[in-house]
Amino acid sequence: DIVMTQSPDSLAVSLGERATINCKSTQSVLYNSDSKNYLAWYQQKPGQPPKLLIYWASTRESGVPDRFSGSGSGTDFTLTISSLQAEDVAVYYCHQYYSTPSSFGQGTKVEIK
Amino acid sequence: QITLKESGPTLVKPTQTLTLTCTCTGVSLTTSGVGVGWIRQPPGKALEWLALIYWDDDKRYSPSLKSRLSITKDTSKNQVVLTMTNVDPVDTATYYCAVRTSGGSFYPYWGQGTLVTVSS
Repeated sequence: DIVMTQSPDSLAVSLGERATINCKSTQSVLYNSDSKNYLAWYQQKPGQPPKLLIYWASTRESGVPDRFSGSGSGTDFTLTISSLQAEDVAVYYCHQYYSTPSSFGQGTKVEIK
Repeated sequence: QITLKESGPTLVKPTQTLTLTCTCTGVSLTTSGVGVGWIRQPPGKALEWLALIYWDDDKRYSPSLKSRLSITKDTSKNQVVLTMTNVDPVDTATYYCAVRTSGGSFYPYWGQGTLVTVSS
């Protein structure tokens, strides 16, 4: 099974500043035949289901603000919020869908400093 | 517009069987590329993927729970049913269904979730 580990577990960032969340997988999630990284990012606010932000490691879902970006390949990935807004306070999860069982990171809680 | 709604019991006793239903609108479960997954989240904890059923009735399960899970679909009702046998208090969680529509099995669409408590 692929284990996803996020860092840090939580971070506090000032409004307008950059937030960076890392995600590391125990195996590569890069599928050589299509050169795609099978990695997604979700945002979850209290009492709500997760919301898809990024898929294929760097493709932004429709309607997601462009301050959210994803990068990385293979086993190391990053979600960046370029200018943190108050509405970005949430828990963020990475998710590999390369192999069964699909798996999520433990989550990173983002707060305002 | 794709919407999902989970339904089922809110309280189940240990050793009983839990049956959850995901009713889908705005998407056909027989459309190529469509799949419905179940993901759960214990209170205050992370997401855990459980199972996925594809449009062609192919099924995938979490190996750690495979012996206790069954996922089926009723295309006439556009519903997906997850059954979990022999529940335990550690199965207390919010259970979500989610839809993948094509390409990879990431989930753009989620239900609101249903909280299931396992307690005697």
